[in-house]
Amino acid sequence: EVVMTQSPATLSVSPGERATFSCRASQSVSSNLAWYQQKPGQAPRLLIYGASTRATGIPARFSGSGSGTEFTLTISSLQSEDFAVYYCQQYNNWPHGTFGQGTKVEIK
Amino acid sequence: EVQLVESGGGLVKPGGSLRLSCVASGFTFTSYSMNWVRQAPGKGLEWVSSISITSNYIYYADSVRGRFTISRDNAQNSLYLQMNSLKTEDTAVYYCARDDGVAARPNWFDPWGQGTLVTVSS
Repeated sequence: EVVMTQSPATLSVSPGERATFSCRASQSVSSNLAWYQQKPGQAPRLLIYGASTRATGIPARFSGSGSGTEFTLTISSLQSEDFAVYYCQQYNNWPHGTFGQGTKVEIK
Repeated sequence: EVQLVESGGGLVKPGGSLRLSCVASGFTFTSYSMNWVRQAPGKGLEWVSSISITSNYIYYADSVRGRFTISRDNAQNSLYLQMNSLKTEDTAVYYCARDDGVAARPNWFDPWGQGTLVTVSS
């Protein structure tokens, strides 16, 4: 089973600043990596799939990179609505619902 | 509009049973595998189970295997999760999610339903 590890657990960022956080897979998942955003009381929302492809309607300030075992999500200029928890998920092999433990982006 | 609506959550005693439902609309249900994901209070996302289009491939997390059963009714555009022998640690919001992307291979999850809360407590 592939284990996904996200870091850091919490990131404190000021509005307008850049935020970068990581997701590591215990074995290669190629580019089969998705990122989700979750706000309190809401369902997760797909941000990125294929490691770097933005989902429909996702602003360009969100970008994903990486392949194999190392992945990064970057928010170029944090807006107030971006403070949330972010999860990565691998879907390289079944069972494919392996999520990281999440990174909380909070206001500094 | 693509939509998933879960129902069936509630309060149940340890050892009890519950059946969750998820009704899909706005897309061709028979073209997608489906999934259940849960989130315990204050915790992260935990994948629970997946089912392929024709139900010939079914997967479970170790934590629920032997107690939970996933199924689907393609004629009713519906996904189900039968939960038996419930434990307090099964307390969570349960989401259904569509397996997006290319059929016959694993994909990302999009969209998600709004979730239904299952509370297991005496």
